[in-house]
Amino acid sequence: KAGVTQTPRYLIKTRGQQVTLSCSPISGHRSVSWYQQTPGQGLQFLFEYFSETQRNKGNFPGRFSGRQFSNSRSEMNVSTLELGDSALYLCASTLETSRSEQFFGPGTRLTVL
Amino acid sequence: DAKTTQPPSMDCAEGRAANLPCNHSTISGNEYVYWYRQIHSQGPQYIIHGLKNNETNEMASLIITEDRKSSTLILPHATLRDTAVYYCIVRVANSGYALNFGKGTSLLVTP
Repeated sequence: KAGVTQTPRYLIKTRGQQVTLSCSPISGHRSVSWYQQTPGQGLQFLFEYFSETQRNKGNFPGRFSGRQFSNSRSEMNVSTLELGDSALYLCASTLETSRSEQFFGPGTRLTVL
Repeated sequence: DAKTTQPPSMDCAEGRAANLPCNHSTISGNEYVYWYRQIHSQGPQYIIHGLKNNETNEMASLIITEDRKSSTLILPHATLRDTAVYYCIVRVANSGYALNFGKGTSLLVTP
């Protein structure tokens, strides 16, 4: 079974631009979560989608948004990029079971210049 | 979700047991203890979780104290590939899957 895939793996943008990152969950998983990882703040939860609805949201500004499609694939968008948005963005998918294990993708490394 | 406290770093000799502690003194009755680890430059990986009973799987054992205010993750025979940052996370089941990772413990396994 294929794991969680994220595209692109690496991205370089300049301040003020916007970016869209994509995540394909494991087949059958309907929950997709996004996280931001930086050296200073560590791993921080951005948002979670389940059946195309945002179920949880972390403490990030409105420039960070996401959506989920009917096939459970998800995208996140960051508008008006700032230098501080440089980070590893991780996507995780979960099968609705009692174990609630999250499977993480390899991440997208975003650099904002 | 309850806050967790972990030592920032630990060392362990290869082949020995690695015991990683976690304090979660404000844990509620319906909160589970989860452990994940992140090997450098990879996404985090689930290890184990439990509510109040001790748990064991192919990767590790989880020992939760009777008052549930602390727990210990045990890697019985640490290898160099176990070098990673280990995160202890407390969360309520069935409330979505958001994880509050905290700082974690950086475990270094040495030859």
